[in-house]
Amino acid sequence: GAVVSQHPSWVICKSGTSVKIECRSLDFQATTMFWYRQFPKQSLMLMATSNEGSKATYEQGVEKDKFLINHASLTLSTLTVTSAHPEDSSFYICSARVAGINTEAFFGQGTRLTVV
Amino acid sequence: DAKTTQPTSMDCAEGRAANLPCNHSTISGNEYVYWYRQIHSQGPQYIIHGLKNNETNEMASLIITEDRKSSTLILPHATLRDTAVYYCIVRVTYGGATNTLIFGTGTLLAVQP
Repeated sequence: GAVVSQHPSWVICKSGTSVKIECRSLDFQATTMFWYRQFPKQSLMLMATSNEGSKATYEQGVEKDKFLINHASLTLSTLTVTSAHPEDSSFYICSARVAGINTEAFFGQGTRLTVV
Repeated sequence: DAKTTQPTSMDCAEGRAANLPCNHSTISGNEYVYWYRQIHSQGPQYIIHGLKNNETNEMASLIITEDRKSSTLILPHATLRDTAVYYCIVRVTYGGATNTLIFGTGTLLAVQP
């Protein structure tokens, strides 16, 4: 299957700082990327849908000013957690799909964010 | 998208077939059934998907009942590396790429040696 790469795999940051997570589709062009968050022992929760060249669509309850998403090219989307707090500590996962009928989504390996 | 119901957990002996059920009684005619799995601390991995016919690939088989209200994912010869949370998701697929995957709680499959 296609490869989606996230960077970094893990990050520890101080409370109040911002952290940027990158998501790249390595061997295909992703017109749409998705960002999920997963807390321990819970399922993935969709945060936002990111379309190349346009503003992201956020799910209800997700603060768009806190979780900044940029999808500047067909192979790169970034998620910036601004003014991070300990409650933002979580596993962040991106996903990408190719445009077309009945195409599956491919997931990155995830980024473990710990805010201290 | 239709809601799915899966058992919380299942055990399977190594080398035996693992049969993971999923109920999706409210599925509509244009919704596909997708299966993903997530090994601990990794991103989900695509396994298989189907609409109404049974499907098979190198990883698994997907059996969808004739009324499409339930399906079963079959791992023919489970190994210890198949221990993971398995998610059954139903999703409408249009021509574009914006359809999202909404994850339920999944089934934790524990393959025992």
